[in-house]
This record gives sequence, C-alpha cells and structure tokens, in this order.
Amino acid sequence: EIVLTQSPATLSLSPGERATLSCRASQSVSSYLAWYQQKPGQAPRLLIYDASKRATGIPARFSGSGSGTDFTLTISSLEPEDFAVYYCQQRRNWPLTFGGGTKVEIK
Amino acid sequence: EVRLVESGGGLVKPGGSLRLSCAASGLTFTNAWMSWVRQAPGKGLEWVGRIKSKTEGGTTDYAAPAKGRFTISRDDSKNTLYLQMNSLKTEDTAVYYCTTDYIVSGYFDLWGRGTLVTVSS
Repeated sequence: EIVLTQSPATLSLSPGERATLSCRASQSVSSYLAWYQQKPGQAPRLLIYDASKRATGIPARFSGSGSGTDFTLTISSLEPEDFAVYYCQQRRNWPLTFGGGTKVEIK
Repeated sequence: EVRLVESGGGLVKPGGSLRLSCAASGLTFTNAWMSWVRQAPGKGLEWVGRIKSKTEGGTTDYAAPAKGRFTISRDDSKNTLYLQMNSLKTEDTAVYYCTTDYIVSGYFDLWGRGTLVTVSS
C-alpha cells in the first residue's frame, strides 16, 4: 500500500497570503495524484488531478506540481473561502490511498 | 442535475449488519465505476472499495479493513449502489460517501453528501 504523508498538519495563514502544502508518497505514483478540498459538513471537492491539472471550475489561484514521490499544492493568494482541509490521493496502485490532510486555518 | 444520494446509515451494535444505498441520477450509471469512501469523526478520508461497471466485469476491490466483512454491489436497473456491512466494529463508525469519476477519469469528482454509520453498544 502506498502511504501518503502530508505536511504540515496545520497551516495558519492570513487572507491574501500564499499557502504551500506538501504531499509525499512512500513510493512513486508517477503523476497519478489528486488534491481535494473539504469544508466542515461537506463532501470533498476535487481541485487538482494528474498532479497539475485543475478540475472544472477551480480558480487559477490553485496550482499543483510534482511527480514521483513529492507533490505540492499552492494557493497563490488565500481567499476567505479557501480555509479548509486539503487531502492528496493517489491512483497509481490499488488500494487507492489518501493523505492525512492539511488544515489551512485563519491566523 | 447529476446527483448521488446515500441512505441507510444509523446506529448499530458491534457485530451487527447494515446496508447502505447510493441512488444515482443524471449520469450513465451503467458505465460508472463506483466507490465508497468513509471518514471517521474528526479524521481523514479512507477508501473502502469499488465496483467496476458490468461491461467491464463488475468486479470489486476492497481496502484491507473492509475485506471479508463488506460487500459492494450494484443494481443498474435502479441506478443504485450498495454497501453491505457485516460484523461491524466500533472503528467502522464514520460518514460513508458514495463517489465516482464522473468527468475526470480515475479521480473522484462526483460525491454524495454521505450517510453516518455509528457502531456502538
């Protein structure tokens, strides 16, 4: 099973600041990695797939990069609605696995 | 409107059984590979298992915690996905989401709102 480790666990930032979230895989997942956003009481929402492609309707301030074992989700300038928990997920191997999440909170 | 709507959650005692349903609308359900993902209270996301479309064999795969206890099935005539859960443990307490790769192949871009399963004596 591929283990995904996300860091940091919590990121405290102010609106307008840049957020950089990390996801590291225990073995290569090539570019088969996605990022999801989840707000309290809601289902996750797909933001980024194949490491760097934005899903439909996702603002350009969200970007993804990386391949192999190291990936980054960047939010260029935080909007109030971006404060949430973010998860990475790999589809390179079964079972599909998710990272433990990074909470982006208001400082 | 494209929707997934889960139902069937509730309170069950350890060792008991429960069947969850997920009603799909607005998509070609027969072609969809469907998955269940769960989230324990205050915890992260955990993939439970998936079922392929019948045209691609209708086979299932499960995460280790679900193997041997959970069974995923589908009724394409009713556009409905099921999760039969047996021998439930307290650690199975979670919100269970139904999800699929509706537009983006291989990733979960369509989710239901989830149904809460509580396993407690």
